[in-house]
Amino acid sequence: QSVLTQPPSASGTPGQRVTISCSGSSSNIGSNTVNWYQQLPGTAPKLLIYSNNQRPSGVPDRFSGSKSGTSASLAISGLQSEDEADYYCAAWDDSLNVHVFGTGTKVTVL
Amino acid sequence: QVQLQESGPGLVKPSETLSLTCTVSGGSISSYYWSWIRQPPGKGLEWIGYIYYSGSTNYNPSLKSRVTISVDTSKNQFSLKLSSVTAADTAVYYCARGVRGVEGGYYYYYMDVWGKGTTVTVSS
Repeated sequence: QSVLTQPPSASGTPGQRVTISCSGSSSNIGSNTVNWYQQLPGTAPKLLIYSNNQRPSGVPDRFSGSKSGTSASLAISGLQSEDEADYYCAAWDDSLNVHVFGTGTKVTVL
Repeated sequence: QVQLQESGPGLVKPSETLSLTCTVSGGSISSYYWSWIRQPPGKGLEWIGYIYYSGSTNYNPSLKSRVTISVDTSKNQFSLKLSSVTAADTAVYYCARGVRGVEGGYYYYYMDVWGKGTTVTVSS
């Protein structure tokens, strides 16, 4: 049921900047705010970015979010080995009346 | 610091009802949207639904006919029941605290505290 599309994978070397895209539509990203979740291997998801670009307390400022129209992006600057994880975007969808998650992107640190 | 812990059977037979409870500790269950999310093995996240502490609910339409989420404020717990389960319901089930509102004309909803998850397998 994923209506938010993400690239399946992204990678970079330590210190590099990696960007993950999230493509939606007018009924979800276009109408509501976007969140990003980080899921480290074998653990529960963790809120990384909420309301498009807000970081919860404790999240490093290396992580930043943005939104434009019906798309959103997560940027990781100064990539670190501990950033290896799956990343999911999410937003409310007004047409489906459901909170939808993106397809997920696996980030690998080379 | 608020913590959530899922509990319930790890094995459920096909056609039976899956029942899980989430216990909230370190904070009150009031004023938030208490949510359930699941993740099939090797797959992505699926939002199941939420309940407001007052009892109002919102379910994923794809599961709505089989899902019931309830809250017990006296025990600081909320629960999930999923009926007529099949192998497709095998997943890790997470409970989470949801925050919802409207700002600048945009609706926001996010889950800021998650439980560690519990694995439920549907098999005879």
